[in-house]
Amino acid sequence: QKEVEQNSGPLSVPEGAIASLNCTYSDRGSQSFFWYRQYSGKSPELIMSIYSNGDKEDGRFTAQLNKASQYVSLLIRDSQPSDSATYLCAVKDSSASKIIFGSGTRLSIRP
Amino acid sequence: GAVVSQHPSRVICKSGTSVKIECRSLDFQATTMFWYRQFPKQSLMLMATSNEGSKATYEQGVEKDKFLINHASLTLSTLTVTSAHPEDSSFYICSAHQAGTNTEAFFGQGTRLTVV
Repeated sequence: QKEVEQNSGPLSVPEGAIASLNCTYSDRGSQSFFWYRQYSGKSPELIMSIYSNGDKEDGRFTAQLNKASQYVSLLIRDSQPSDSATYLCAVKDSSASKIIFGSGTRLSIRP
Repeated sequence: GAVVSQHPSRVICKSGTSVKIECRSLDFQATTMFWYRQFPKQSLMLMATSNEGSKATYEQGVEKDKFLINHASLTLSTLTVTSAHPEDSSFYICSAHQAGTNTEAFFGQGTRLTVV
């Protein structure tokens, strides 16, 4: 069974600080990795995708990938209260067309 | 990003009736769509993979005769919850992928189903 593991949280971060979200996965052949944000009662929204080892930056968000360690992370700089949500790590199955989701990390930004 | 439209966003039905949920990719062709269910404070649970022009692939434990999936075109997949029961009440979400190797999943808005 291929798995994606995340700390469920809640992770509490003061406003303006850096929030760090981590994820590990079991499918060593995976090549595509994603971070989704989900507000309560809403469907997930894609915020970052990453395919190569290293860092990928988009605004306040930076995704980091280390395939050797099977580790993906998401950094959110200058955290805002509006960043409070559940963040889902997702990994594309290397042998099927589906994407495997982690259980999500609840992030709370305190003013 | 690509747009996926899901309808209805909210539905209430009586026990024993059937409910159809539509998922459309508006600006791209989706050979594969996925149906998820999410209970409160829980993660997404993949129910089935919907393939255009062929039978859907169901995840273990999901009853294919209860959750009927049709993917008749490259832009539309439907999920029908048959003989609904209160325990089927949940948030149902579809996603669609664009063709290609590195392909993100774009989600519909979700359907909140309440069976009374």
